[in-house]
Amino acid sequence: NAGVTQTPKFQVLKTGQSMTLQCAQDMNHNSMYWYRQDPGMGLRLIYYSASEGTTDKGEVPNGYNVSRLNKREFSLRLESAAPSQTSVYFCASNKILGAGGEQYFGPGTRLTVT
Amino acid sequence: RKEVEQDPGPFNVPEGATVAFNCTYSNSASQSFFWYRQDCRKEPKLLMSVYSSGNEDGRFTAQLNRASQYISLLIRDSKLSDSATYLCVAQPSNTGKLIFGQGTTLQVKP
Repeated sequence: NAGVTQTPKFQVLKTGQSMTLQCAQDMNHNSMYWYRQDPGMGLRLIYYSASEGTTDKGEVPNGYNVSRLNKREFSLRLESAAPSQTSVYFCASNKILGAGGEQYFGPGTRLTVT
Repeated sequence: RKEVEQDPGPFNVPEGATVAFNCTYSNSASQSFFWYRQDCRKEPKLLMSVYSSGNEDGRFTAQLNRASQYISLLIRDSKLSDSATYLCVAQPSNTGKLIFGQGTTLQVKP
Protein backbone atom coordinates (compact mmCIF):
# COMPACT_ATOMS: atom_id res chain seq x y z
CA ASN A 1 0.00 0.00 0.00
CA ALA A 2 1.96 3.01 -1.29
CA GLY A 3 -0.60 5.70 -0.34
CA VAL A 4 -0.23 8.77 -2.57
CA THR A 5 2.62 8.80 -5.07
CA GLN A 6 3.82 11.70 -7.19
CA THR A 7 6.20 11.95 -10.11
CA PRO A 8 8.59 13.53 -10.71
CA LYS A 9 10.17 14.48 -7.37
CA PHE A 10 12.17 17.34 -8.88
CA GLN A 11 11.89 19.25 -12.13
CA VAL A 12 13.55 22.29 -13.69
CA LEU A 13 11.77 23.97 -16.59
CA LYS A 14 12.50 26.95 -18.75
CA THR A 15 9.88 29.66 -19.09
CA GLY A 16 7.31 28.63 -21.67
CA GLN A 17 7.90 24.89 -21.43
CA SER A 18 5.06 22.57 -20.52
CA MET A 19 4.90 19.57 -18.23
CA THR A 20 2.49 17.27 -16.43
CA LEU A 21 2.76 16.31 -12.78
CA GLN A 22 1.41 12.86 -12.08
CA CYS A 23 -0.39 11.71 -8.94
CA ALA A 24 -1.86 8.34 -8.04
CA GLN A 25 -3.46 6.91 -4.90
CA ASP A 26 -4.19 3.31 -4.00
CA MET A 27 -6.56 3.91 -1.08
CA ASN A 28 -9.77 3.85 -3.14
CA HIS A 29 -10.38 7.51 -2.29
CA ASN A 30 -13.01 9.49 -4.14
CA SER A 31 -11.56 12.98 -3.75
CA MET A 32 -8.19 14.25 -4.90
CA TYR A 33 -6.48 17.63 -4.65
CA TRP A 34 -3.55 19.62 -5.98
CA TYR A 35 -1.87 22.22 -3.75
CA ARG A 36 1.12 24.46 -4.11
CA GLN A 37 3.26 25.54 -1.16
CA ASP A 38 5.30 28.71 -1.20
CA PRO A 39 7.31 30.28 1.65
CA GLY A 40 5.10 32.45 3.84
CA MET A 41 1.94 31.47 1.94
CA GLY A 42 1.09 28.05 3.28
CA LEU A 43 -0.65 25.45 1.16
CA ARG A 44 -3.01 26.83 -1.47
CA LEU A 45 -5.51 24.73 -3.37
CA ILE A 46 -5.07 24.80 -7.16
CA TYR A 47 -7.71 22.31 -8.33
CA TYR A 48 -9.62 19.46 -6.84
CA SER A 49 -11.71 16.53 -7.96
CA ALA A 50 -14.54 15.60 -5.61
CA SER A 51 -15.13 12.36 -7.46
CA GLU A 52 -14.14 10.58 -10.64
CA GLY A 53 -15.33 12.58 -13.64
CA THR A 54 -15.47 15.96 -11.89
CA THR A 55 -12.91 18.72 -11.42
CA ASP A 56 -13.22 22.19 -9.91
CA LYS A 57 -11.06 25.25 -9.45
CA GLY A 58 -9.51 26.02 -6.13
CA GLU A 59 -7.96 29.23 -4.88
CA VAL A 60 -5.16 29.62 -7.47
CA PRO A 61 -6.10 27.80 -10.72
CA ASN A 62 -4.69 30.25 -13.29
CA GLY A 63 -1.96 28.72 -15.45
CA TYR A 64 -2.92 25.13 -14.63
CA ASN A 65 -5.17 22.40 -15.96
CA VAL A 66 -6.07 19.06 -14.46
CA SER A 67 -7.33 15.67 -15.55
CA ARG A 68 -8.96 13.06 -13.37
CA LEU A 69 -7.92 10.14 -15.51
CA ASN A 70 -9.68 7.53 -13.38
CA LYS A 71 -10.40 7.01 -9.70
CA ARG A 72 -6.71 6.50 -8.91
CA GLU A 73 -5.02 9.19 -10.96
CA PHE A 74 -5.19 12.98 -10.98
CA SER A 75 -2.69 14.93 -13.08
CA LEU A 76 -1.75 18.61 -13.09
CA ARG A 77 -0.56 20.28 -16.29
CA LEU A 78 1.38 23.48 -16.75
CA GLU A 79 0.90 24.50 -20.38
CA SER A 80 3.40 27.37 -20.44
CA ALA A 81 5.48 27.52 -17.29
CA ALA A 82 6.28 30.87 -15.69
CA PRO A 83 8.81 31.71 -12.93
CA SER A 84 5.84 32.47 -10.63
CA GLN A 85 4.99 28.76 -10.79
CA THR A 86 8.23 27.85 -9.04
CA SER A 87 6.91 26.03 -5.97
CA VAL A 88 6.47 22.72 -4.21
CA TYR A 89 3.40 20.89 -5.50
CA PHE A 90 1.54 18.40 -3.33
CA CYS A 91 -1.18 16.01 -4.37
CA ALA A 92 -3.58 14.78 -1.70
CA SER A 93 -6.59 12.52 -1.43
CA ASN A 94 -9.34 11.59 0.99
CA LYS A 95 -12.38 9.38 1.03
CA ILE A 96 -14.97 12.08 0.39
CA LEU A 97 -14.71 15.87 0.11
CA GLY A 98 -15.81 17.43 3.38
CA ALA A 99 -15.92 14.20 5.35
CA GLY A 100 -13.42 14.77 8.11
CA GLY A 101 -10.21 16.72 7.93
CA GLU A 102 -7.69 14.06 7.14
CA GLN A 103 -6.16 14.31 3.72
CA TYR A 104 -3.28 12.06 2.71
CA PHE A 105 -0.47 13.82 0.92
CA GLY A 106 2.09 12.65 -1.56
CA PRO A 107 5.79 13.46 -1.07
CA GLY A 108 5.66 16.54 -3.32
CA THR A 109 7.24 17.73 -6.55
CA ARG A 110 9.80 20.53 -6.32
CA LEU A 111 9.50 22.59 -9.48
CA THR A 112 11.82 25.40 -10.53
CA VAL A 113 11.02 27.56 -13.56
CA THR A 114 13.92 29.63 -14.85
CA ARG B 1 -6.35 39.23 5.24
CA LYS B 2 -5.56 35.50 5.17
CA GLU B 3 -8.44 33.23 6.15
CA VAL B 4 -6.25 31.36 8.63
CA GLU B 5 -3.39 33.23 10.26
CA GLN B 6 -0.48 31.94 12.30
CA ASP B 7 2.67 33.43 13.73
CA PRO B 8 5.36 31.86 11.53
CA GLY B 9 7.94 31.87 14.36
CA PRO B 10 10.39 30.27 14.60
CA PHE B 11 9.81 29.25 18.19
CA ASN B 12 13.11 28.07 19.67
CA VAL B 13 12.63 26.19 22.94
CA PRO B 14 14.75 23.86 25.08
CA GLU B 15 13.88 20.22 25.52
CA GLY B 16 11.26 19.74 28.21
CA ALA B 17 9.69 23.14 27.71
CA THR B 18 5.99 23.78 27.21
CA VAL B 19 5.14 25.76 24.10
CA ALA B 20 1.85 27.07 22.75
CA PHE B 21 0.84 28.15 19.27
CA ASN B 22 -2.21 30.20 18.42
CA CYS B 23 -4.06 30.54 15.16
CA THR B 24 -6.96 32.80 14.16
CA TYR B 25 -9.54 32.25 11.47
CA SER B 26 -11.78 34.78 9.76
CA ASN B 27 -14.51 32.64 8.16
CA SER B 28 -17.25 32.13 10.74
CA ALA B 29 -18.64 29.36 8.50
CA SER B 30 -15.64 27.25 9.44
CA GLN B 31 -16.93 24.36 11.47
CA SER B 32 -14.04 21.97 11.77
CA PHE B 33 -10.43 22.58 12.67
CA PHE B 34 -7.24 20.55 12.64
CA TRP B 35 -3.55 20.71 13.31
CA TYR B 36 -1.19 19.20 10.76
CA ARG B 37 2.51 18.60 11.22
CA GLN B 38 5.04 19.05 8.43
CA ASP B 39 8.66 17.96 8.79
CA CYS B 40 11.31 19.75 6.78
CA ARG B 41 10.94 19.00 3.05
CA LYS B 42 8.24 16.42 3.72
CA GLU B 43 4.50 16.25 3.20
CA PRO B 44 1.98 17.47 5.82
CA LYS B 45 0.32 14.86 8.03
CA LEU B 46 -2.67 15.17 10.31
CA LEU B 47 -1.62 15.65 13.93
CA MET B 48 -5.01 16.03 15.58
CA SER B 49 -8.52 17.37 15.22
CA VAL B 50 -9.69 20.28 17.37
CA TYR B 51 -12.98 20.06 19.23
CA SER B 52 -14.92 22.79 21.02
CA SER B 53 -14.52 20.96 24.30
CA GLY B 54 -10.79 20.73 23.82
CA ASN B 55 -8.93 17.49 23.27
CA GLU B 56 -5.72 15.92 24.35
CA ASP B 57 -3.44 13.37 22.73
CA GLY B 58 -0.52 12.54 24.95
CA ARG B 59 1.62 15.66 25.31
CA PHE B 60 -0.50 17.61 22.82
CA THR B 61 -3.62 19.61 23.72
CA ALA B 62 -5.78 21.46 21.21
CA GLN B 63 -8.40 24.06 22.07
CA LEU B 64 -11.00 25.94 20.07
CA ASN B 65 -12.54 29.28 21.03
CA ARG B 66 -15.39 29.99 18.61
CA ALA B 67 -16.32 33.32 20.18
CA SER B 68 -12.83 34.72 19.56
CA GLN B 69 -12.24 32.62 16.46
CA TYR B 70 -8.94 31.16 17.53
CA ILE B 71 -7.40 27.74 17.88
CA SER B 72 -4.46 26.76 20.04
CA LEU B 73 -2.01 23.90 20.27
CA LEU B 74 -0.09 23.23 23.48
CA ILE B 75 2.91 20.91 23.52
CA ARG B 76 4.17 19.82 26.92
CA ASP B 77 7.58 18.35 27.70
CA SER B 78 8.94 19.16 24.24
CA LYS B 79 11.13 16.57 22.55
CA LEU B 80 13.77 17.08 19.88
CA SER B 81 11.52 15.09 17.57
CA ASP B 82 8.77 17.71 17.92
CA SER B 83 10.84 20.07 15.75
CA ALA B 84 8.65 20.69 12.72
CA THR B 85 6.22 23.16 11.20
CA TYR B 86 2.68 23.05 12.61
CA LEU B 87 -0.12 23.98 10.22
CA CYS B 88 -3.44 25.25 11.48
CA VAL B 89 -6.33 24.17 9.24
CA ALA B 90 -9.96 25.29 9.01
CA GLN B 91 -12.72 23.50 7.11
CA PRO B 92 -15.76 25.61 6.16
CA SER B 93 -18.91 23.56 6.29
CA ASN B 94 -20.21 25.00 3.03
CA THR B 95 -17.27 23.80 0.90
CA GLY B 96 -15.64 20.95 2.77
CA LYS B 97 -12.25 22.10 1.51
CA LEU B 98 -9.31 22.62 3.85
CA ILE B 99 -7.89 26.11 4.38
CA PHE B 100 -4.29 26.02 5.60
CA GLY B 101 -2.45 28.60 7.63
CA GLN B 102 1.13 29.39 6.69
CA GLY B 103 2.50 27.30 9.54
CA THR B 104 4.45 27.91 12.74
CA THR B 105 7.97 26.54 12.93
CA LEU B 106 9.14 24.93 16.16
CA GLN B 107 12.77 24.14 16.87
CA VAL B 108 13.45 22.17 20.05
CA LYS B 109 17.06 22.38 21.17
CA PRO B 110 18.97 20.05 23.53
